[in-house]
Amino acid sequence: EVHLLESGGGLAQPGGSLRLSCAASGFSFSFSAMTWVRQAPRKGLEWVANIGSSGEATYYADSVKGRFTISRDNSKNTLYLQMNNLRAEDTAVYYCATSTWAMTSYFGSWGLGTLVTVSS
Amino acid sequence: EIVLTQSPGTLSFSPGEGATLSCRASQSVSSYSLAWYQQKPGQAPRLLVYGASTRATGIPDRFSGSGSGTDFSLTISRLEPADLAVYYCQQYGSSPMTFGQGTRLDIK
Repeated sequence: EVHLLESGGGLAQPGGSLRLSCAASGFSFSFSAMTWVRQAPRKGLEWVANIGSSGEATYYADSVKGRFTISRDNSKNTLYLQMNNLRAEDTAVYYCATSTWAMTSYFGSWGLGTLVTVSS
Repeated sequence: EIVLTQSPGTLSFSPGEGATLSCRASQSVSSYSLAWYQQKPGQAPRLLVYGASTRATGIPDRFSGSGSGTDFSLTISRLEPADLAVYYCQQYGSSPMTFGQGTRLDIK
């Protein structure tokens, strides 16, 4: 059974940084593209970033490009999202999910999410 | 960017009834690249349908997706109280991938 567990969320100040992690188990992580999707409070879903299975291919939403970096460590079965220069509008629950393809895809399995709050 | 508009915004149902949720795209979605997700209160989204009409693993046949081009729909038959949720469509035919704003299913 696929299991994804996000961590690293919390309170950050505007302009600050956070690094999210997503620990994966129950499937062949190193062969799977992965994604981050976020959901602002009482709002809908927004795709944030995708990464290919080897980590070489990465794709970002315009709203985070240049500020967020998606990466992975296949030896640790872990996905990351480094978030810099945070803004109030980045406040959301961040979900990691499996992705069938690297560039565009549907998202098969989701974690429970981790809450990021950006506020002074 | 493809904008997805879902209707209705909220749908109230009685158990046993059926419901059809609509998702309309601002441009044609290539290769039937349309997925549907269910998000129950306090939970993460769950994939229901991909490829416009293929049910994900473990999804009962009460859930049925259809459509092509710019018009897609999700039909849920024999509604159950457990179907109370927000349903989102997502296009993955072009970048950036986008989601609709959601349709909320409430019990009457």
